[in-house]
Amino acid sequence: DVKVTQSSRYLVKRTGEKVFLECVQDMDHENMFWYRQDPGLGLRLIYFSYDVKMKEKGDIPEGYSVSREKKERFSLILESASTNQTSMYLCASSTSDTQYFGPGTRLTVL
Amino acid sequence: ELKVEQNPLFLSMQEGKNYTIYCNYSTTSDRLYWYRQDPGKSLESLFVLLSNGAVKQEGRLMASLDTKARLSTLHITAAVHDLSATYFCAVDGGYQLIWGAGTKLIIKP
Repeated sequence: DVKVTQSSRYLVKRTGEKVFLECVQDMDHENMFWYRQDPGLGLRLIYFSYDVKMKEKGDIPEGYSVSREKKERFSLILESASTNQTSMYLCASSTSDTQYFGPGTRLTVL
Repeated sequence: ELKVEQNPLFLSMQEGKNYTIYCNYSTTSDRLYWYRQDPGKSLESLFVLLSNGAVKQEGRLMASLDTKARLSTLHITAAVHDLSATYFCAVDGGYQLIWGAGTKLIIKP
């Protein structure tokens, strides 16, 4: 079974803090994705990566950056967290077909 | 720009009834995905539809794809409470999936 894990299920941070969300997959997938999910808005792609050290902006990259130093790990960074970044963050990995999702991190920024 | 629309966005139904969720998309695509999400949990892949006329079934759920009409349907037969969840369709947009807003399905005993 494909396994995608995320570093935290719940996270509470203060405005202005730097926040790291980590995602690890164990299936040697080349593609990895970060989404945020907000009620009524579905899933919105923040960034994705198709190889180590490679990244592409998604639909809503502003306020975020990413890092992929190893194939299995894809990190999402909020340089200076703001209250409008309170959301559910979902990581996914894929081959050329189905995306497999991690359990999600519910981030609250106070 | 590829857009994906699901309807209805909310559906409350009785156990034992049949219903269909619709997923329309705006431009040509060869792949369509259905996912399920339980409250507070992540997304689980249900179906991958890869060609026109594709039909896949798993238990009480059946998904179909009509690429000419740019339409996929997720049909629920004789619904049971355990199928209560939010269902998403997503279309292959090239380098990323384009997601519908989701259909929140509540099945009442």
